[in-house]
Amino acid sequence: EAGVTQFPSHSVIEKGQTVTLRCDPISGHDNLYWYRRVMGKEIKFLLHFVKESKQDESGMPNNRFLAERTGGTYSTLKVQPAELEDSGVYFCASSQVGSSYNEQFFGPGTRLTVL
Amino acid sequence: SQKIEQNSEALNIQEGKTATLTCNYTNYSPAYLQWYRQDPGRGPVFLLLIRENEKEKRKERLKVTFDTTLKQSLFHITASQPADSATYLCALGLSGGYNKLIFGAGTRLAVHP
Repeated sequence: EAGVTQFPSHSVIEKGQTVTLRCDPISGHDNLYWYRRVMGKEIKFLLHFVKESKQDESGMPNNRFLAERTGGTYSTLKVQPAELEDSGVYFCASSQVGSSYNEQFFGPGTRLTVL
Repeated sequence: SQKIEQNSEALNIQEGKTATLTCNYTNYSPAYLQWYRQDPGRGPVFLLLIRENEKEKRKERLKVTFDTTLKQSLFHITASQPADSATYLCALGLSGGYNKLIFGAGTRLAVHP
């Protein structure tokens, strides 16, 4: 069974440009999470989808970030316009509703560099 | 303020010894605590979960303890192997269900032959 996949693996953009990150969760996982790790810091929560609904978006830094999960399958995270402080590794994770554990399966991450 | 602290210094041990990693937290009341392993360039991989009403959990060579009075979890790897070398992250879940995880910064473990 395929794990969580993310695309692209790396992205280098100029300040002010737009970037869209994609996450494909494990098939059948209704929970989808976005996290971010900026240089030297811990992994921080951004938002949580249950199917196509945003359950918790308390970690989104500002309105330059827009996450969608149309149809409850894959998700995209768009940053527009990108700023230097947005650089970091963006992780997506998914988990299965009905499990007694909130074991989250993480993707390999997208490394975003804003110049 | 709320914080999660893990040993910021790398832990170096000899193969075959027991590695013990610490996770302390302040001003949180977690419903459960998880430990993840992360290798360079990869995402975190779930290892163990322990609930607030549990004292200890084991899985093969791994053992986790959880002391809600001390606000501390200890993560042990017995009979350590070079393949155990990685960064280990603790993560708090503040309530039941499928909510966000709050991560510590991680401790890097190096097991030497």
